[in-house]
Amino acid sequence: DAGITQSPRHKVTETGTPVTLRCHQTENHRYMYWYRQDPGHGLRLIHYSYGVKDTDKGEVSDGYSVSRSKTEDFLLTLESATSSQTSVYFCAISVGHSAELNYGYTFGSGTRLTVV
Amino acid sequence: GQSLEQPSEVTAVEGAIVQINCTYQTSGFYGLSWYQQHDGGAPTFLSYNALDGLEETGRFSSFLSRSDSYGYLLLQELQMKDSASYFCAVRERSNDYKLSFGAGTTVTVRA
Repeated sequence: DAGITQSPRHKVTETGTPVTLRCHQTENHRYMYWYRQDPGHGLRLIHYSYGVKDTDKGEVSDGYSVSRSKTEDFLLTLESATSSQTSVYFCAISVGHSAELNYGYTFGSGTRLTVV
Repeated sequence: GQSLEQPSEVTAVEGAIVQINCTYQTSGFYGLSWYQQHDGGAPTFLSYNALDGLEETGRFSSFLSRSDSYGYLLLQELQMKDSASYFCAVRERSNDYKLSFGAGTTVTVRA
């Protein structure tokens, strides 16, 4: 099973402060993703990466930035946290794929972020 | 863009069969996936339909009809441990393997 860890698992921060969440994988997968999960919305893509220093925006990228300086680490930064960014954040990697086959995403355990 | 609709909640008794429907509107996609998520946990991959038809994996089966823009997940011989949220997701027709998820269906299994 793909090793993927997120840190921290829980965080409470104040409005206006920057916050960085970390996703670490151990199996050299190229594609990594950050999603947020909110009740009634399912999982929504924030940003994703298709290689070192190669990133792109998802559907809810405003207020977030990402960096990927090494294959194994994908960082999500909330530049100035707002209460609307209170959510559960999941990192995911894409493990094995072609047009016909898809072994799906493996998700990290999530980070529960509360902005007060 | 992508838009996926699935029921918000389903309740059934142990041993029963549950079908979770997913209808989608998309400009193009490779296939339909299903994920399971227990309360407080991470989503886990269940199945993927690239082609029309039924895919069976143990007690769970998934179906896709591209002509109807429709798919479903069938949970058979329901067990208490199947109480979870289930998400359908479309894999976009692109080179970056992005998934767009539905809002999820909460399945509650009662004794």
